[in-house]
Amino acid sequence: GAVVSQHPSRVICKSGTSVKIECRSLDFQATTMFWYRQFPKQSLMLMATSNEGSKATYEQGVEKDKFLINHASLTLSTLTVTSAHPEDSSFYICSAEQGGNEKLFFGSGTQLSVL
Amino acid sequence: GIQVEQSPPDLILQEGANSTLRCNFSDSVNNLQWFHQNPWGQLINLFYIPSGTKQNGRLSATTVATERYSLLYISSSQTTDSGVYFCAADGGATNKLIFGTGTLLAVQP
Repeated sequence: GAVVSQHPSRVICKSGTSVKIECRSLDFQATTMFWYRQFPKQSLMLMATSNEGSKATYEQGVEKDKFLINHASLTLSTLTVTSAHPEDSSFYICSAEQGGNEKLFFGSGTQLSVL
Repeated sequence: GIQVEQSPPDLILQEGANSTLRCNFSDSVNNLQWFHQNPWGQLINLFYIPSGTKQNGRLSATTVATERYSLLYISSSQTTDSGVYFCAADGGATNKLIFGTGTLLAVQP
């Protein structure tokens, strides 16, 4: 099956710094990727849709200047949490859509802890 | 947008028991999937099932699109089935999945 790699799996940073999370489709091209965040014991909340070669589409309430998304190639999307604060601490998960396949494939997630 | 609700929120089973998890959605769907999230956070795709019935080993799923619900059946449960089960649906033309509230399953030996 299709594989989505997400890196890093865990990151701890100081408040005010920026953190970049990578999401790669390893064996297929993904024109569309999605970014979710998940707080402890809660569901996944869609943050944004990342389209290769164009600007991301953000869900209501998600700050686009806070969560920068870049989808520069058909196999890589990045999420940068800028000027991170403790309230940004969360589990971030990406998913990728394989063309012609209705299933979405998910990365293994990134646990971000901001001190 | 589409609303997705799941029940029950929590479920405790003895090993070997069967269970049924339910997912209700508020609008017609083009995409509905069931996932299992393991304790490490990894989401495992169980079924893509916007309609009809599918089976995979001890798991099966049925979606009745006209009545806007889907069921996930787990038979002869094992401790490794523990975790959170999510259904997710998309009512539009894209794969923008909206996740349900989840069912936390604990299977005890």
